[in-house]
Amino acid sequence: EDQVTQSPEALRLQEGESSSLNCSYTVSGLRGLFWYRQDPGKGPEFLFTLYSAGEEKEKERLKATLTKKESFLHITAPKPEDSATYLCAVQAQIRLTFGEGTQLTVNP
Amino acid sequence: DGGITQSPKYLFRKEGQNVTLSCEQNLNHDAMYWYRQDPGQGLRLIYYSQIVNDFQKGDIAEGYSVSREKKESFPLTVTSAQKNPTAFYLCASSPTRQGAGGNTIYFGEGSWLTVV
Repeated sequence: EDQVTQSPEALRLQEGESSSLNCSYTVSGLRGLFWYRQDPGKGPEFLFTLYSAGEEKEKERLKATLTKKESFLHITAPKPEDSATYLCAVQAQIRLTFGEGTQLTVNP
Repeated sequence: DGGITQSPKYLFRKEGQNVTLSCEQNLNHDAMYWYRQDPGQGLRLIYYSQIVNDFQKGDIAEGYSVSREKKESFPLTVTSAQKNPTAFYLCASSPTRQGAGGNTIYFGEGSWLTVV
């Protein structure tokens, strides 16, 4: 059974204070690892797909990395508008299995 | 605009009623999905469909039903058999990609269902 564990559950940062979110996973035959951002009351917004260990992708202040057991979402110099819940998911077949998310709050 | 449209945004259900949530996509995606999200929890898969007239149960299909008569549409019915239906429901779609690479799943804006 595919499993995804995200940590921490909640993270509070000051504006400009860089940090990382963790996503640990167990899956048989990883086809892709996905990161999404979700604002309250909205659907998840796609951020990145990582396909193989060693791969990295960047978008503005976000950088996602992947190893054989975990993925990190690095946030550099965050701004208050980066506040959201960040979801990680793995895909082995057609479906995604999600973690419970990390709720990020960035204070000005 | 291309995307996934869910309606209604807010829906109230009385005890014993069936209600249907609509999901339409104009992305020409083959696969469609329904997820349920409870406060502070991750997304759980209810049903998914890879082609028209075919669908599979996810992890929490009991008390729900779906149909896939058209490629663009994947409505979800929450039946009276679902004892705890109050939640945020998310419809999603993805292209079907052959080979080892994953298929990015895109989400609609969600529908809130409340039992009154």
